[in-house]
Amino acid sequence: GDSVTQMEGPVTLSEEAFLTINCTYTATGYPSLFWYVQYPGEGLQLLLKATKADDKGSNKGFEATYRKETTSFHLEKGSVQVSDSAVYFCALRSNFGNEKLTFGTGTRLTIIP
Amino acid sequence: NAGVMQNPRHLVRRRGQEARLRCSPVKGHSHVYWYRQLPEEGLKFMVYLQKENIIDESGMPKERFSAEFPKEGPSILRIQQVVRGDSAAYFCASSPLRDRNSGNTIYFGEGSWLTVV
Repeated sequence: GDSVTQMEGPVTLSEEAFLTINCTYTATGYPSLFWYVQYPGEGLQLLLKATKADDKGSNKGFEATYRKETTSFHLEKGSVQVSDSAVYFCALRSNFGNEKLTFGTGTRLTIIP
Repeated sequence: NAGVMQNPRHLVRRRGQEARLRCSPVKGHSHVYWYRQLPEEGLKFMVYLQKENIIDESGMPKERFSAEFPKEGPSILRIQQVVRGDSAAYFCASSPLRDRNSGNTIYFGEGSWLTVV
C-alpha cells in the first residue's frame, strides 16, 4: 500500500537558518504530493502541493519539488522565522478516484530567536 | 481551512459516555474523511464517506466507533462507551467529486479535541 516516510523530529533551528525536512514515498502510479502544517492547538492547513513529476510547489517561502526518480518531496525554506514553528506533515494522494490522504508521521519544527 | 466546520471544538466526556462529533463539509463537497490524531502522534485515517455511503472504513476500530454522512445534514462520528484511550483530536476533511476542474486537494477542519476523564 501507499506510505510516506518523513524525517524524524524534533528539529530545532535558529532564526534565519536553512530548513530541509525530508519526505519520501511509496505509491502505485503517480500520486499527488502535499505538505500540510499544523500550528499549536490548530487544525491542518495546506502549505503546498505538486501534482506531477518535476512540479514545484511553493508558498510562504517554502518550496518542495516532486522528484519521481528518487520518490521524494523534500520541504525547504531558505530563512526560517520563529513563526514557522509548527508540525509539518508530508502526504500523498492517488490521482485516481477520491482516495484518502496518506500522511507521514509529522516533523515538529522549533525555531529559536 | 476552506470552510470545513467541526463541532464541538472541545468535548469532555466521562468514561462510558457517548461522544458525537459533527462535521459540515465545504459547500458542494460530497466526500468526507475522518482522521484521528493521538497526543504527539501523526494523523491516522479512520473512514471515508460519500453521501449515505461508507466507502472505506479500514481505519475504524471494530467496536464502539461508527460514522455516517446522511443525505441531509453533517457527517457524524460517534464513539460509544468512551475510554481514556479515545482522548485525541479528531479531524474531518472534505473534497469534491474528483474531475478535471476540481483539483485534488482535501480540506481540513479545525478539529474536535475529545478528552475522556
